[in-house]
Amino acid sequence: SQQGEEDPQALSIQEGENATMNCSYKTSINNLQWYRQNSGRGLVHLILIRSNEREKHSGRLRVTLDTSKKSSSLLITASRAADTASYFCAIRGGSEKLVFGKGTKLTVNP
Amino acid sequence: EADIYQTPRYLVIGTGKKITLECSQTMGHDKMYWYQQDPGMELHLIHYSYGVNSTEKGDLSSESTVSRIRTEHFPLTLESARPSHTSQYLCASRAGPPSYEQYFGPGTRLTVT
Repeated sequence: SQQGEEDPQALSIQEGENATMNCSYKTSINNLQWYRQNSGRGLVHLILIRSNEREKHSGRLRVTLDTSKKSSSLLITASRAADTASYFCAIRGGSEKLVFGKGTKLTVNP
Repeated sequence: EADIYQTPRYLVIGTGKKITLECSQTMGHDKMYWYQQDPGMELHLIHYSYGVNSTEKGDLSSESTVSRIRTEHFPLTLESARPSHTSQYLCASRAGPPSYEQYFGPGTRLTVT
């Protein structure tokens, strides 16, 4: 399946620490996107990385992509309590559809 | 905040009722999507549209139907609600290149009793 699979399923850290989440997939991709979802709300787009890119930064976020290993990672540096949310990777292959993984639930303790 | 809206936000309804979940966006996006998400789980695509008069079924079988008569409006209808339809329904629209990001509405949490 094209679905991305996030790892770990849940992560609990202290404020100020870095949080790393991983996403693995099985097919070729056009791009890979990361989204955040606060409890019970819609998703918010964080960052997109194309298949020909290896690393992208946006503020405290860093995303890497290794197409040979079919994996991506999202790093949140200097985490804050407000970063507490679920984080999803989404795969866009050859179609118009995005396929979402099951998400990593991040808890940042103050 | 994205300019995409969903109503109602919460709905509790009895089995057998017909319901329509509304979704509208003011960004002029051609592509729109409906997802179903159970608590703590992944999103499943149930319908999508490439533009006016275009609708397609998604990856998850759904008893719902959609219509796209206007670019900004993409309602989802359940002809006869059942308890198995209890879930959160998320509407999204997609920007074109180079962004490709999807903008999500706040969701409708549906409970069928």
